Amino acid sequence: GNSVTQMEGPVTLSEEAFLTINCTYTATGYPSLFWYVQYPGEGLQLLLKATKADDKGSNKGFEATYRKETTSFHLEKGSVQVSDSAVYFCALSESYSGNTPLVFGKGTRLSVIA
Amino acid sequence: GAVVSQHPSWVICKSGTSVKIECRSLDFQATTMFWYRQFPKQSLMLMATSNEGSKATYEQGVEKDKFLINHASLTLSTLTVTSAHPEDSSFYICSAPTSGPYNEQFFGPGTRLTVL
Repeated sequence: GNSVTQMEGPVTLSEEAFLTINCTYTATGYPSLFWYVQYPGEGLQLLLKATKADDKGSNKGFEATYRKETTSFHLEKGSVQVSDSAVYFCALSESYSGNTPLVFGKGTRLSVIA
Repeated sequence: GAVVSQHPSWVICKSGTSVKIECRSLDFQATTMFWYRQFPKQSLMLMATSNEGSKATYEQGVEKDKFLINHASLTLSTLTVTSAHPEDSSFYICSAPTSGPYNEQFFGPGTRLTVL
């Protein structure tokens, strides 16, 4: 079945450091890929997504590129801020439609210190 | 964006009692809602798909009689954990997709259930 593997946390970085959170997936067909972020006390929010190979999703300075050859969707940001501290989830869906349930990775907690 | 609420945000109950968790889409209608369960340091696992006006679809290994789902209206789905036991203690999260061809799922903040 489909699965998502993302790097274990927690990750602690200084402000303005470069961030990479690795994510790889196993899926049949051509899934859509997502990164969700969960701030303390809030629900998961969509950060970015990509629906086909070589697509790059970007939002709020974060980027991830759908790499079919390596089955990866690594999350990157060039300069993190304290406000980026949160838990990040990589996820996939069998289609681009929101009516399809998501398969999630375990989540990576990021702490950014000033 | 759209808002999904859950109530309660946390609940503590005694073993053997039943607990109802509500999931509401506040500013949009959802014919489908999803219920996920999250154990500490684990990923969210899909439990069931809630369908307005029809029976829920449960994932393999999820007991239908234990986790009762009712999607009574286009804005409300409820999950009832019946005869709860300590092993049911977990974080329960619902999501609801908006309508349209490139729709997006919106998530509730989750409900922390602790069964003593």
